[in-house]
Amino acid sequence: EAQVTQNPRYLITVTGKKLTVTCSQNMNHEYMSWYRQDPGLGLRQIYYSMNVEVTDKGDVPEGYKVSRKEKRNFPLILESPSPNQTSLYFCASTGDSNQPQHFGDGTRLSIL
Amino acid sequence: QKEVEQDPGPLSVPEGAIVSLNCTYSNSAFQYFMWYRQYSRKGPELLMYTYSSGNKEDGRFTAQVDKSSKYISLFIRDSQPSDSATYLCAMSDYSSASKIIFGSGTRLSIRP
Repeated sequence: EAQVTQNPRYLITVTGKKLTVTCSQNMNHEYMSWYRQDPGLGLRQIYYSMNVEVTDKGDVPEGYKVSRKEKRNFPLILESPSPNQTSLYFCASTGDSNQPQHFGDGTRLSIL
Repeated sequence: QKEVEQDPGPLSVPEGAIVSLNCTYSNSAFQYFMWYRQYSRKGPELLMYTYSSGNKEDGRFTAQVDKSSKYISLFIRDSQPSDSATYLCAMSDYSSASKIIFGSGTRLSIRP
């Protein structure tokens, strides 16, 4: 089954404790993105990657890092999380620059 | 002003009604237009995808794009309780794979 898998699905942690949210897709897609979703603000792009070792900033990259060492994986790293990063996070992928993205089921992060 | 404006609702209609969902945008360079449906605790799933202006129909769903007015619509005919979800419009200026701007979403409820 074609899917985008995120882990963990839920996480409560404290300010300053480094965390990583993993994203993996089994469709051999080149393009992957991370979004955060907040009430009233919709989905905002954090980072995207057009291929292995190629990443670029989206609209809200501050406080986040990403890496793309393998085609299937695109982890999101919060080096020093803060409460304003409490949000619902989605990973997405697509194999064609002219086709829409497929989304994972989300990771709900709470930073206390 | 946001690049993409979408009425957040909530919108409540009786089963069988025709639903009209709309977004306006300010960036005339947008040429890829998408509608996603998002159920509670799930990731957005693609409903409709259009390039440039015109109409596209898929079953009970019709997407319309009017680039001259910078206005897009999604119509749902014979609405069902299972259509109750949040609907997100999304658009991109050159590639749906990289930089996509989402509306904030409209919450729709279909009353049996």
